[in-house]
Amino acid sequence: AQKVTQAQTEISVVEKEDVTLDCVYETRDTTYYLFWYKQPPSGELVFLIRRNSFDEQNEISGRYSWNFQKSTSSFNFTITASQVVDSAVYFCALSEAVSSGSARQLTFGSGTQLTVLP
Amino acid sequence: DSGVTQTPKHLITATGQRVTLRCSPRSGDLSVYWYQQSLDQGLQFLIQYYNGEERAKGNILERFSAQQFPDLHSELNLSSLELGDSALYFCASSVVASGGFGEQFFGPGTRLTVL
Repeated sequence: AQKVTQAQTEISVVEKEDVTLDCVYETRDTTYYLFWYKQPPSGELVFLIRRNSFDEQNEISGRYSWNFQKSTSSFNFTITASQVVDSAVYFCALSEAVSSGSARQLTFGSGTQLTVLP
Repeated sequence: DSGVTQTPKHLITATGQRVTLRCSPRSGDLSVYWYQQSLDQGLQFLIQYYNGEERAKGNILERFSAQQFPDLHSELNLSSLELGDSALYFCASSVVASGGFGEQFFGPGTRLTVL
């Protein structure tokens, strides 16, 4: 069975600080996909990034960066120079490989509430 | 805007009642997924449909059912509602691109309150 653990329930930082959100996953599959979603106070789920299990390159997108380490089954998310607008719940998720032409369902972690104070 | 629409946005009903939540996927997406987000259970996968057929089932109660219609919109039916069914229900859709995986894009959700 798949499992995603986000041990940090809540994190509070002051604006302009860097913050890292941790994500540890468990799966028996050799091919899988990892995701991060953002849920702002308005409630919608916003897709941030997808990472394939066979691609361990770290990725940077503006102030966001992701560190995927297969050896430790972790997919951590760092926000550099945080802003108040980054305040949201962040979810890490895992999915198995595509099956019969359709993407598989997501297994979500419990989320990390990030509060960025002005 | 993800392109996935869900109606209604809010729903308030009483215990024992039955409700229907509706989802229209993004144009061209064949897969529809339903998820439930509650305070105690977090974000849970309920059920997936692909081109009209049930593809996968998660932690969906027997009181809940879903279907996907020929125009690819989907409905989630919740019956004999209990207080614990109060939650945010998300629909997502995806299409598998030629290169492999397709991201799931989520609708705005339907907030169900059972009184």
